[in-house]
Amino acid sequence: DAGITQSPRHKVTETGTPVTLRCHQTENHRYMYWYRQDPGHGLRLIHYSYGVKDTDKGEVSDGYSVSRSKTEDFLLTLESATSSQTSVYFCAISPGNEQFFGPGTRLTVL
Amino acid sequence: RKEVEQDPGPFNVPEGATVAFNCTYSNSASQSFFWYRQDCRKEPKLLMSVYSSGNEDGRFTAQLNRASQYISLLIRDSKLSDSATYLCVVNILNDYKLSFGAGTTVTVRA
Repeated sequence: DAGITQSPRHKVTETGTPVTLRCHQTENHRYMYWYRQDPGHGLRLIHYSYGVKDTDKGEVSDGYSVSRSKTEDFLLTLESATSSQTSVYFCAISPGNEQFFGPGTRLTVL
Repeated sequence: RKEVEQDPGPFNVPEGATVAFNCTYSNSASQSFFWYRQDCRKEPKLLMSVYSSGNEDGRFTAQLNRASQYISLLIRDSKLSDSATYLCVVNILNDYKLSFGAGTTVTVRA
């Protein structure tokens, strides 16, 4: 068990509403990541963090923002959800070159 | 061109059979290589790292061919529980970011 939790695990929301997903780790690792996974695609990096208040964009960051005010929490916000953001979202931590994933959040935007 | 490409399969094999599949990567500067396993509707889990000399973990053998820029995974004596999607993962610049293939699906039948 990698000590990562995500909340909520499932969410259905409507287009145009803000949504925040939370990732919590108990491992005190510096690096945390948010990915989305869609059929036919590998996991695609949205944003990542390399420390408290230190974040950077990934390959699919448009429409998403993140915040990391504490080592253990990494928040992903969809400011105004769109149907194209319907996906499964995974958070990950990285003790080294490998990464360990949380259980995922299944988000549906209607 | 995608950074990491995999044959999506599916590879349907009987119990006890050997199955092998490859993954190609585009960036010759890639440093670290991994195979992850993902069960349906679950998070990816690290199966094994891939070392330059090749490595084995029980029934699983991973090989790296830097000249041809591919890694392989071989599963011997397949079990029903090996049914999953196997993700090829590459660390491109040794900078704590990973690139994921879309996965190869393996189904082991009784």
